[in-house]
Amino acid sequence: NAGVTQTPKFQVLKTGQSMTLQCAQDMNHEYMSWYRQDPGMGLRLIHYSVGAGITDQGEVPNGYNVSRSTTEDFPLRLLSAAPSQTSVYFCASGEGAGTEAFFGQGTRLTVV
Amino acid sequence: GQSLEQPSEVTAVEGAIVQINCTYQTSGFYGLSWYQQHDGGAPTFLSYNALDGLEETGRFSSFLSRSDSYGYLLLQELQMKDSASYFCAVINAGNMLTFGGGTRLMVKP
Repeated sequence: NAGVTQTPKFQVLKTGQSMTLQCAQDMNHEYMSWYRQDPGMGLRLIHYSVGAGITDQGEVPNGYNVSRSTTEDFPLRLLSAAPSQTSVYFCASGEGAGTEAFFGQGTRLTVV
Repeated sequence: GQSLEQPSEVTAVEGAIVQINCTYQTSGFYGLSWYQQHDGGAPTFLSYNALDGLEETGRFSSFLSRSDSYGYLLLQELQMKDSASYFCAVINAGNMLTFGGGTRLMVKP
């Protein structure tokens, strides 16, 4: 059972480039979310989804887009990368916001 | 908006008991969760409190007082492997899971 899988694990982007961080879960969870974690800080919610076809903004959505066409996948798109988006990105899934959230291993993104 | 406050660092010795406090402000509060994160790793779930009172899971316990907007995580019989960051997180009516800034726990021999 793979759980939550994020790809890639590491990525370096140039300012202005776009890319998609992939997140897939095989637990049939309805709830999925994306967080960013800057050094020595907590996790800040970027976007989340309570089911296929439904997405909503979190605390820091600017510069990011998401879609949820299937239960399994929840990709995060950076539209035009900026150095301020250098961070570790975590995807999580769960049966609901109040239940255990299972996290992927993270994507370490550096924007130069 | 939402805000959570927890101490930035706590130090304790092996075998001791440590309490990590969390105060929160949020609209439409549903519950409080706790997560552990080792350096370089992903957060892992420890506990969830929706109702007032104490929840115990092995060496870890979590407490919630909804009227005081306050909770804590209690770690007993501390082990070196408990050195990690601990995050409280609130769940609100909008189904958002929002994390605090984290408490770095250092366990010394």
